Amino acid sequence: SAVISQKPSRDICQRGTSLTIQCQVDSQVTMMFWYRQQPGQSLTLIATANQGSEATYESGFVIDKFPISRPNLTFSTLTVSNMSPEDSSIYLCSVGAVAGMNTGELFFGEGSRLTVL
Amino acid sequence: GQQVMQIPQYQHVQEGEDFTTYCNSSTTLSNIQWYKQRPGGHPVFLIQLVKSGEVKKQKRLTFQFGEAKKNSSLHITATQTTDVGTYFCAGPNYGQNFVFGPGTRLSVLP
Repeated sequence: SAVISQKPSRDICQRGTSLTIQCQVDSQVTMMFWYRQQPGQSLTLIATANQGSEATYESGFVIDKFPISRPNLTFSTLTVSNMSPEDSSIYLCSVGAVAGMNTGELFFGEGSRLTVL
Repeated sequence: GQQVMQIPQYQHVQEGEDFTTYCNSSTTLSNIQWYKQRPGGHPVFLIQLVKSGEVKKQKRLTFQFGEAKKNSSLHITATQTTDVGTYFCAGPNYGQNFVFGPGTRLSVLP
C-alpha cells in the first residue's frame, strides 16, 4: 500500500486568497489524482497530476483556478486560487499504480478540509 | 460521460439487521470498485470486481457484479456499529482514475 501525507489537514481562509495543498507519498507512484468532496457529497475528480507535464483537468475545472504541480513521482501540490465560500470542501489527494504493484485500487490521503469565509 | 448511480442514499438499520446498497452504471464496466468512508475519514478501498457475475466475500460483506457488468451490490449481514459510514462504488473512467457514485450513508442503531 501507499502512505499519503497531506498538508494542511484543515484551514480557514479568507475570500479572495489562495491556498496550496501538498501531497507526499512514501513511494513512487505513476498516477496521482486530486478529488474534491463537498460536504455530504461524493468525490469529484478535479484533475490528474502528470509528472513532468501539465495536469489533465476534468470538465468544470480549469488550470487558472486549480493549478497543479507534479515535480516528481512522490509529490504533488494543488492550489485553490481566488477562493470563494463555494470552494469550501475537502480536497483529497489520491494515488494509483504504486510502482511495482498495480492492483487498480486508489489510495487516499487524509484530506484537507478548507473553509472559506 | 461515465455515470454511476447508487441507491439508497441513506439507510438506517438496527444493529444486527442486514444492509444492501446497489450501484448502477449507464455503460458496461470493465470493473467496479467499492470504498468505505467512515465519518470524518477518507475513502478506503474494499474490493474490486472484474468478472461478469462475480461474487466475493469479506467476512460479513458480500459483493456482486452483475452478469451484464452494469450493476453491482454490496450486502452486509448482521450489521455492527463499526459498519457505520458511507459506501461508494466507483467505475473506471480513463487513465486509471475512477468515477464515484453518490454513496450510501449507513447508520447503525445499537
